[in-house]
Amino acid sequence: AQKITQTQPGMFVQEKEAVTLDCTYDTSDPSYGLFWYKQPSSGEMIFLIYQGSYDQQNATEGRYSLNFQKARKSANLVISASQLGDSAMYFCAMREGLRNAGNMLTFGGGTRLMVKP
Amino acid sequence: GAVVSQHPSWVICKSGTSVKIECRSLDFQATTMFWYRQFPKQSLMLMATSNEGSKATYEQGVEKDKFLINHASLTLSTLTVTSAHPEDSSFYICSAHPPGLAREQFFGPGTRLTVL
Repeated sequence: AQKITQTQPGMFVQEKEAVTLDCTYDTSDPSYGLFWYKQPSSGEMIFLIYQGSYDQQNATEGRYSLNFQKARKSANLVISASQLGDSAMYFCAMREGLRNAGNMLTFGGGTRLMVKP
Repeated sequence: GAVVSQHPSWVICKSGTSVKIECRSLDFQATTMFWYRQFPKQSLMLMATSNEGSKATYEQGVEKDKFLINHASLTLSTLTVTSAHPEDSSFYICSAHPPGLAREQFFGPGTRLTVL
C-alpha cells in the first residue's frame, strides 16, 4: 500500500493566489515526521516545511503552511501569494520514527505546480 | 543548514563502464546516508541505506552487486554503478543527516547519469 499519496499530478494557479497541494499518508507508527520539498528543474531538493506527529500547531514557514489533520492523516501544503518562481515539482514525504534521524524518507508521487502570470 | 555535496553533478558514460558518485557531508558527521534514484517525471525511490563502517542495506529489487556502496568515513559515501547500461540512466540523489533528532533531511544536489 502507498504510504504517501499525492492525488494531484499537476496543478495550475494564478500568480498571487493561494494554492493547496494535497498529501495523505499511512502509518501505524505514532511517531513520525512529515516533510514537503520543492524540486525545480535543476533537480535539487529544497526543504520547505516539517510537521512532527506530536506538534500541537500547524507548521508555518513564510508563505508555506502545513494543514495537518492527524485524524484524517493528511498534511496538505498551502502556498500563499504564489510567485512565478514557485513553479516546480512538490513532494510530500514521511519519516517514521521521530527519535532516529537516520530513518529514510518515503516520498509521494509529486505534484507539478505551474504558476500562471 | 547542513550542507551535502555530490560529485560529479552529471556524467555521461559508455555502456559497460563503471561510474562512481560521491556524497559528502561538509559540516557534520553522518553515520547514515541514503541513496535515492529518480527516473524522469517520477518520484524519488530509496535504493539503499549506507552505514558507516558496515555493509549497506539495499531495498528490494536493487542489485547490490551492481550498485556498490562504500561508507568508509563519517563524511563520505560512494555509489558505484558497475557495468552501467542505458536503463541505469537516472538522477541519483544522496541524503545525509546530522546526529540526533532532525527536523530536516539534507539532500545533495544530485548526479545525472546518462549511459550511452
